[in-house]
Amino acid sequence: KQEVTQIPAALSVPEGENLVLNCSFTDSAIYNLQWFRQDPGKGLTSLLLIQSSQREQTSGRLNASLDKSSGRSTLYIAASQPGDSATYLCAVLKNTGGFKTIFGAGTRLFVKA
Amino acid sequence: EAQVTQNPRYLITVTGKKLTVTCSQNMNHEYMSWYRQDPGLGLRQIYYSMNVEVTDKGDVPEGYKVSRKEKRNFPLILESPSPNQTSLYFCASSSLQDLNYGYTFGSGTRLTVV
Repeated sequence: KQEVTQIPAALSVPEGENLVLNCSFTDSAIYNLQWFRQDPGKGLTSLLLIQSSQREQTSGRLNASLDKSSGRSTLYIAASQPGDSATYLCAVLKNTGGFKTIFGAGTRLFVKA
Repeated sequence: EAQVTQNPRYLITVTGKKLTVTCSQNMNHEYMSWYRQDPGLGLRQIYYSMNVEVTDKGDVPEGYKVSRKEKRNFPLILESPSPNQTSLYFCASSSLQDLNYGYTFGSGTRLTVV
């Protein structure tokens, strides 16, 4: 059964620091992996999606990598800002046994001004 | 504006009283899905649908029903709600032609069952 784990569960950093959020998954048979941002009490905003054939995607200060063989993805945030404070979720879309989506529990990020 | 609309945003109900949470998308997406979010557990998929009249169970389908009679709508039905179904619910949709386009999520429905 596919499991998705995110480490750390929470992170507090000073403004301007570069940081890495980790996501690991147990089954490499994925269609894609997606990173989301969720603000308190709000819905999910898609940040980056990496197809199974890709190694990384970039959007502004965000860079996401994917290593299917080791079952790992990282989200790199450069020059963090207080506005980056949110919960970051990764999710894998399986393409075996149906198109199911499995989410990690998230990393709660707090960027101090 | 392309969007997924859920209603209601907030709902308090009593145990055993049937309820329906609606989800509608205006993007002509084939793929729609329901999730629940609980503290410390992330989002868990309840049901998903690949197209009209095609639905399948996610990881936590017990106590829920869905239907997909029209492409744009994917309601979530709780026939006999119980307190353990108190949660934050999200609906999402995606194009089946390009699942690599990613999901669009609704704003969520906070359900409390007393």
